[in-house]
Amino acid sequence: DGGITQSPKYLFRKEGQNVTLSCEQNLNHDAMYWYRQDPGQGLRLIYYSQIVNDFQKGDIAEGYSVSREKKESFPLTVTSAQKNPTAFYLCASRPTGVSPQPQHFGDGTRLSIL
Amino acid sequence: QQQVKQSPQSLIVQKGGISIINCAYENTAFDYFPWYQQFPGKGPALLIAIRPDVSEKKEGRFTISFNKSAKQFSLHIMDSQPGDSATYFCAARDNQAGTALIFGKGTTLSVSS
Repeated sequence: DGGITQSPKYLFRKEGQNVTLSCEQNLNHDAMYWYRQDPGQGLRLIYYSQIVNDFQKGDIAEGYSVSREKKESFPLTVTSAQKNPTAFYLCASRPTGVSPQPQHFGDGTRLSIL
Repeated sequence: QQQVKQSPQSLIVQKGGISIINCAYENTAFDYFPWYQQFPGKGPALLIAIRPDVSEKKEGRFTISFNKSAKQFSLHIMDSQPGDSATYFCAARDNQAGTALIFGKGTTLSVSS
C-alpha cells in the first residue's frame, strides 16, 4: 500500500532534549511538508521541501530543523529551543509536475512534554 | 495574520440536514482550494477541491460553491450523517509562494442521530 508513515505515534520530550519525528513516504512524491496542529489553530507550516537536499522555512520554523537526504524521507527535529513543543505534528507529501496536486497526509505524531 | 478565515468554529446538524461551512480569503494569488476532513487521531484526508475558474463542484453529497468576486467559498454536505462528524478544514494555495497550503482554523461538525 502506498502512503505516508509517521513514527512514533506518541512521543514524550524531557526539558532540554531534542527529539526527531520520522516521516517516510512510498508515493514517489517530490514535495514534502511538516505542519503543526494545535487545538483551534488549524495547521501551520513548519518546513517544506520540494526536492532532495533542499528545504525552506515555513511560518513557524523557529526551534525546528529538518533534512532531506532521500526522496522518501523528511525527518523533523524538535530542538530544545522550541519552548512550546506540545502539539500534533503532521507530515504531508505531494507530487510535483502538473499542478495543482493535493497534499496527502500521514496520521501524525503527538508530542508531549514530560 | 490569518489568510483564510473559516466559520463557524463548530456546527451541530441533525441527521439528514445540510451542513454549511464557509471560508473567505483576501489573496488573489490563491489558485487552488481544497477541503480536508479529519477524524480524531488521524491526519486530514482530501475531501474535494476546486479551482477559481469553476463556480461549483459536486462529488456525491459534498459540494463546493465558489464566489471569486466575493473571495468566498463554502462546503455543503447534503443529507448529513453521523459518520460525517469530524473536523473540516478549508485551505488555499498561493501560486506565488511555493506549494504549501494555507489552512483555515477548522470547523468541528457534529451530526446528531
